[in-house]
Amino acid sequence: AQSVSQHNHHVILSEAASLELGCNYSYGGTVNLFWYVQYPGQHLQLLLKYFSGDPLVKGIKGFEAEFIKSKFSFNLRKPSVQWSDTAEYFCAVNSALNYGGSQGNLIFGKGTKLSVKP
Amino acid sequence: NAGVTQTPKFRILKIGQSMTLQCTQDMNHNYMYWYRQDPGMGLKLIYYSVGAGITDKGEVPNGYNVSRSTTEDFPLRLELAAPSQTSVYFCASSYQQKYNEQFFGPGTRLTVL
Repeated sequence: AQSVSQHNHHVILSEAASLELGCNYSYGGTVNLFWYVQYPGQHLQLLLKYFSGDPLVKGIKGFEAEFIKSKFSFNLRKPSVQWSDTAEYFCAVNSALNYGGSQGNLIFGKGTKLSVKP
Repeated sequence: NAGVTQTPKFRILKIGQSMTLQCTQDMNHNYMYWYRQDPGMGLKLIYYSVGAGITDKGEVPNGYNVSRSTTEDFPLRLELAAPSQTSVYFCASSYQQKYNEQFFGPGTRLTVL
């Protein structure tokens, strides 16, 4: 079965610090990868996604993520965080090849809370 | 476009009561999903639907039921509420499963006492 691991439960940074949130998945086949963000009291919104092609993906608000197939990783990065980036971040994966059944559904990690101190 | 809407926003139930969480999307998406979110546990899929009249179980379906009579609506039913169902419930939809960018509703915070 697929699973997604986000190793950091809570990350605390000061403004302007650089951010890297880890995401590893367990699935041997071709996958689609996503990062979602949930701002306090709000619903999940898509930050960025990877389907194929350039493994370095740029998303909204200056976020980017790098897909490293050999490491089964899709880490999220931002060079300089702002107080407004305080949120919970979720990595998610689904199978890119098997559709019409449960394998096409997203599997979410447990999330990483990011607190940015002003 | 309103996107994905959910009602109610908050609800408190007593043990054994029943209720329906409503979810509507106006994007003509085929796929709809119900998740529950518990602190530190991420999102767990309860049920999903690939189109009107077709539903299937997700990871944590026990204690819940769904129906999908129209493309737009995907209600989630709790028949006998239990404290373990205290959670935040999110409905989501997507146009197709392959690229599966899901759009989420604002959530329903449910407390069972």
